[in-house]
Amino acid sequence: DTEVTQTPKHLVMGMTNKKSLKCEQHMGHRAMYWYKQKAKKPPELMFVYSYEKLSINESVPSRFSPECPNSSLLNLHLHALQPEDSALYLCASSAGTGEPQHFGDGTRLSIL
Amino acid sequence: EDQVTQSPEALRLQEGESSSLNCSYTVSGLRGLFWYRQDPGKGPEFLFTLYSAGEEKEKERLKATLTKKESFLHITAPKPEDSATYLCAVRRGVTDKLIFGTGTRLQVFP
Repeated sequence: DTEVTQTPKHLVMGMTNKKSLKCEQHMGHRAMYWYKQKAKKPPELMFVYSYEKLSINESVPSRFSPECPNSSLLNLHLHALQPEDSALYLCASSAGTGEPQHFGDGTRLSIL
Repeated sequence: EDQVTQSPEALRLQEGESSSLNCSYTVSGLRGLFWYRQDPGKGPEFLFTLYSAGEEKEKERLKATLTKKESFLHITAPKPEDSATYLCAVRRGVTDKLIFGTGTRLQVFP
């Protein structure tokens, strides 16, 4: 079992809906990440939080809004998504820059 | 331009048939190469980190090696449960960004 927990496991939403993805880790890690993964493709970095502050935004559209309420939690708020945003959204955490990133099992998102 | 290339794209092995997966990279200022295993519908599972040429790491039937241009993941006497997609990723410079290769899909048949 992974030590990074993501909820929900599956999410279906319309293009006008607002939803949130949640990620939690209890390993004491101070860096957390959001990735997007399309079928048969590698993960693509979206955001990095270090010590609860946003340190990297890979030019992600504003319809994706990350939030880090505390060092154990990471949210991804979704609004007005497009069908091409359908993908597996992965959360990861690490002890710090350069340390191995440990992934959750993701949220499978489908946009109707 | 930073690039990570994995080969082969897909590999089918008989149980017990040893082989190697390749990860070639062109990146300035390598600060770590990471190997992951990903099962269908799951997130990547961390396997190894290699930091300098000549370094080797082992775990059960897997052994990872690193040179200045590439890394190999050697699989000795694989079992069907080793079937998965194996991803390598490199970290460049002082950033916290990983550049992933496209992966090798390994299938091991009994």
